[in-house]
Amino acid sequence: GENVEQHPSTLSVQEGDSAVIKCTYSDSASNYFPWYKQELGKRPQLIIDIRSNVGEKKDQRIAVTLNKTAKHFSLHITETQPEDSAVYFCAASPLRRGGADGLTFGKGTHLIIQP
Amino acid sequence: GAVVSQHPSRVICKSGTSVKIECRSLDFQATTMFWYRQFPKQSLMLMATSNEGSKATYEQGVEKDKFLINHASLTLSTLTVTSAHPEDSSFYICSARIGGGNTIYFGEGSWLTVV
Repeated sequence: GENVEQHPSTLSVQEGDSAVIKCTYSDSASNYFPWYKQELGKRPQLIIDIRSNVGEKKDQRIAVTLNKTAKHFSLHITETQPEDSAVYFCAASPLRRGGADGLTFGKGTHLIIQP
Repeated sequence: GAVVSQHPSRVICKSGTSVKIECRSLDFQATTMFWYRQFPKQSLMLMATSNEGSKATYEQGVEKDKFLINHASLTLSTLTVTSAHPEDSSFYICSARIGGGNTIYFGEGSWLTVV
């Protein structure tokens, strides 16, 4: 099955600086890579996702890059703000007909924005 | 956007008893729902895939006789933790994907405490 590795486990950056979180996956059948933000005790919130036919996607301060050959993808947050502090999870999944495949998550990154 | 509702949000049960958690898709039909478990400060682990009208598919290491999943309609899946033990205490969260679409929507999660 799929194995997703995520680094770092904790990331502390100064407010206004950029943050980068990296993930690798093992299953070449995976073609959908979402990123979730989770605050303590709450449900994960999708912040951005990318499919394998695209190398980069951007949404305001958030961007995701995908290197399918190397099987790694990264989350980039620019101009970080205190409200960006949370745990971020990457995930991978194949998108097959019928949508019956669940997500395999990385172990998470605790992002701390220092004022 | 699509909404997935989960109930109860918190439940405390005695060791040896069973507890049922419901997951509903409120404004779409979900032929497939996914159940995850998340221990404190850990990632989300896929437990099983719930298929409407058929048996659930369990991930390796998840006891199907202990975690009973029923997906009787296109808008409701239930997870019953049978003969609960303290080590079953965790955050259980369901999710659903609309048909073969990309986005996976999460329920609010249910905190289970077994005393």
